[in-house]
Amino acid sequence: QITLKESGPTLVKPTQTLTLTCTFSGFSLNNSGVGVAWIRQPPGKALEWLALIYWNDNKRYSPSLGSRLTISKDTSKDQVVLSMTNMDPVDTATYFCAHVQAVAAYFDYWGQGTLVTVSS
Amino acid sequence: DIQMTQSPSTLSASVGDRVTLTCRASQSISSWLAWYQQKPGRAPKLLIYKASSLESGVPSRFSGSGSGTEFSLTISSLQPDDFATYYCQRYNSYPWTFGQGTKVEIK
Repeated sequence: QITLKESGPTLVKPTQTLTLTCTFSGFSLNNSGVGVAWIRQPPGKALEWLALIYWNDNKRYSPSLGSRLTISKDTSKDQVVLSMTNMDPVDTATYFCAHVQAVAAYFDYWGQGTLVTVSS
Repeated sequence: DIQMTQSPSTLSASVGDRVTLTCRASQSISSWLAWYQQKPGRAPKLLIYKASSLESGVPSRFSGSGSGTEFSLTISSLQPDDFATYYCQRYNSYPWTFGQGTKVEIK
């Protein structure tokens, strides 16, 4: 059974760096064809894909946020970490991580999400 | 980037109705489209992938169709559990993008 869970701060100040961790089980990022993505959703708004990392360390980022994002994996801990620099109130959102298969590229398993508020 | 436009933004319907939601891509994405259902406070749930393939465990009243730039999600007989917001997502190329969503509400 595949599960994912996001963790990190619920409140960050403007200009700070946000670091979120996705801890997963039921699959391994050592396995060929597997990936983990981050998606966010501002309150009352639509979903936005942010970043993706594959088993082979191939990484992809949303062009609109690319320079602010860094995604990494720790296969020994079954974790994926997303960092976002220079946080702004418009970055207030629920952040989800999700499982992706390279051959499929849709999100078949999701974490519950974590709400991050950016405020001074 | 390829933009995804969903219509309508809100759909009012009754239990038992047949409803069709539409998703349009600004250029062809072949069949690389997924549909998700999201309820308030919950993560999205995958319903359909590759435009028309039903995800395991999803009721057969859900169906997807289309290719190229025009896609639809049909619920053959709306059930109380189906009142939610539905999103399409393309995955033909990066950056992956979602539509703005269609909220299905009780009439």
